[in-house]
Amino acid sequence: QVQLQESGPGLVKPSQTLSLTCTVSGGSIRSGGYYWNWIRQHPGKGLEWIGYIYYSGSTYYSPSLKSRVIMSVDTSKNQFSLKLTSVTAADTAVYYCARGVNCSGGRCYDGMDVWGQGTTVTVSS
Amino acid sequence: DIQMTQSPSSLSPSVGDRVTITCRASQTISNYLNWYQQKPGKAPKLLIYAASSLQSGVPSRFSGSGSGTDFTLTISSLQPEDFATYFCQQSYSAPTFGGGTKVEIK
Repeated sequence: QVQLQESGPGLVKPSQTLSLTCTVSGGSIRSGGYYWNWIRQHPGKGLEWIGYIYYSGSTYYSPSLKSRVIMSVDTSKNQFSLKLTSVTAADTAVYYCARGVNCSGGRCYDGMDVWGQGTTVTVSS
Repeated sequence: DIQMTQSPSSLSPSVGDRVTITCRASQTISNYLNWYQQKPGKAPKLLIYAASSLQSGVPSRFSGSGSGTDFTLTISSLQPEDFATYFCQQSYSAPTFGGGTKVEIK
């Protein structure tokens, strides 16, 4: 079955760029009908959606983060990536990648059914 | 953004109890509502999608209902492995999540 795995630095300095990659295994990122999402969870808090990317490269970002978010996809490596610029301590969180199901027209009707295990990113000098 | 409000924020039922968690959207979202379970240190797990459809592999004691702005997640008979935090999420527009409901052991 499809599995997702996040990777990237666990420590980022303030004002720098956070960069994470999600590797998809057990299936193709090019499969239609799926959007590939990034979500984060601040320590002890709820979940915040960051954005998604389609295998074609189409993206949709959270309005509150869109000025600092860049997502990309590498279909040859079955990976998609997140860059978050100008980070501050408020960006310290566990970052998850997840697959959105039955997606079209900017919506995933059936939720996010596969998640990575999450990676902790701390912003600190 | 569509705001999602869950209640209660926590509860302490006993094994075998019927548990009900509610989620209210700040505007109508049809049935674009999903429920997740999260255990400490783990990723969320999809339980219910499209308000009332049970995700494959999820026990039938979990059920969801509602449409428009008001939704409910019900656990018919709470099991020890169900102690966790539950989140709702709307997929009508840019996804947003409820604040969570922590189901703690009594």
